[in-house]
Amino acid sequence: AQTVTQSQPEMSVQEAETVTLSCTYDTSESNYYLFWYKQPPSRQMILVIRQEAYKQQNATENRFSVNFQKAAKSFSLKISDSQLGDTAMYFCAFMVPYGQNFVFGPGTRLSVLP
Amino acid sequence: DAGVTQSPTHLIKTRGQQVTLRCSPKSGHDTVSWYQQALGQGPQFIFQYYEEEERQRGNFPDRFSGHQFPNYSSELNVNALLLGDSALYLCASSRTSGGYNEQFFGPGTRLTVL
Repeated sequence: AQTVTQSQPEMSVQEAETVTLSCTYDTSESNYYLFWYKQPPSRQMILVIRQEAYKQQNATENRFSVNFQKAAKSFSLKISDSQLGDTAMYFCAFMVPYGQNFVFGPGTRLSVLP
Repeated sequence: DAGVTQSPTHLIKTRGQQVTLRCSPKSGHDTVSWYQQALGQGPQFIFQYYEEEERQRGNFPDRFSGHQFPNYSSELNVNALLLGDSALYLCASSRTSGGYNEQFFGPGTRLTVL
């Protein structure tokens, strides 16, 4: 069974600064997907970024980038130039290609301070 | 194009009652997954429906059941409600094809069991 751990229940960052959220996972699979989802107070889960395990290059999406360390089973999210709208719960998630269902971590509550 | 919609938004029930939650997938999507998100936790996979059949199931008791209609919409039914069933119930839809299929989440239904 796969597990996802997020060791930072809460974090805060000043507007325009950079913050890194941590995620580790455990699996015996060799091919899988990793995700970061954002859940603002509106409750809607929004995909931030996706990484395919067989790709060595770290994914980036505008201000969001990941540091994927497959051997260490680590998948951290870096948010650059933090904005007030980035305030939300952030969930790290895992999916095997044939499984089609997510395994989510417990989440990190991020507050961006003005 | 409407995204994933869920109804109702909020629901209050008492212990022992039964509840039905509804989900309409994003246009063009044929697969619906349901997740339970307890307060302060990450979503947990309940089950997934494809072609009107339950394709995959998480670790939830038989009190949780579902249905998918020919128009791909779906219902989640919970019988004999317990206090511990209080949670945000999220629906996610996708289009099944080979490889990775992005899932889009609805805004959720907040269920409170008294």
